[in-house]
Amino acid sequence: DVKVTQSSRYLVKRTGEKVFLECVQDMDHENMFWYRQDPGLGLRLIYFSYDVKMKEKGDIPEGYSVSREKKERFSLILESASTNQTSMYLCASSPPGPSSPLHFGNGTRLTVT
Amino acid sequence: DQQVKQNSPSLSVQEGRISILNCDYTNSMFDYFLWYKKYPAEGPTFLISISSIKDKNEDGRFTVFLNKSAKHLSLHIVPSQPGDSAVYFCAASSFPGTYKYIFGTGTRLKVLA
Repeated sequence: DVKVTQSSRYLVKRTGEKVFLECVQDMDHENMFWYRQDPGLGLRLIYFSYDVKMKEKGDIPEGYSVSREKKERFSLILESASTNQTSMYLCASSPPGPSSPLHFGNGTRLTVT
Repeated sequence: DQQVKQNSPSLSVQEGRISILNCDYTNSMFDYFLWYKKYPAEGPTFLISISSIKDKNEDGRFTVFLNKSAKHLSLHIVPSQPGDSAVYFCAASSFPGTYKYIFGTGTRLKVLA
């Protein structure tokens, strides 16, 4: 079974802090994704990566950056956390091919105060 | 603009009966559709998919129907079980050329024992 592990289940950060969310997958998947889930808005794509050091913006990249230095690890960075970034963050991975289902981690609930 | 819409935020069904979850989309370029199930405090898990060359796909108690002319898909769960209580997301993608899945806002299904 694919395992996607997000390093923290819950995080509380202060406004203005730099925040790192880490994600590791163990299935050698090329593609990795960061989504955020908000009530009434569903899952929205922040960034995705289709290879090491490669990244593409999703639908809501503002205020975020990503890093993929190794195939198995994809980090989401909040450069200066703001209260409107309080959300559930979900990491996912998939093999290549646009018809491959995403495999999600259990999520990180981030609260910015 | 929401390209994938789940207009029913919630649905309650009696155990043993059929659950029907609906999803509408606006982008005629979408040609691959998935359903995910999400329990609280867990990441979404892949349930079933359908490509645009089909109008029906079945997997055990789960069947997805696609009506391309109406830009509508539905997930049928028969018979519904209390363990099916979860939030269900539909998602769509278009290919070639993109790995992006667009998710709906989700429908919370409650199966009453």
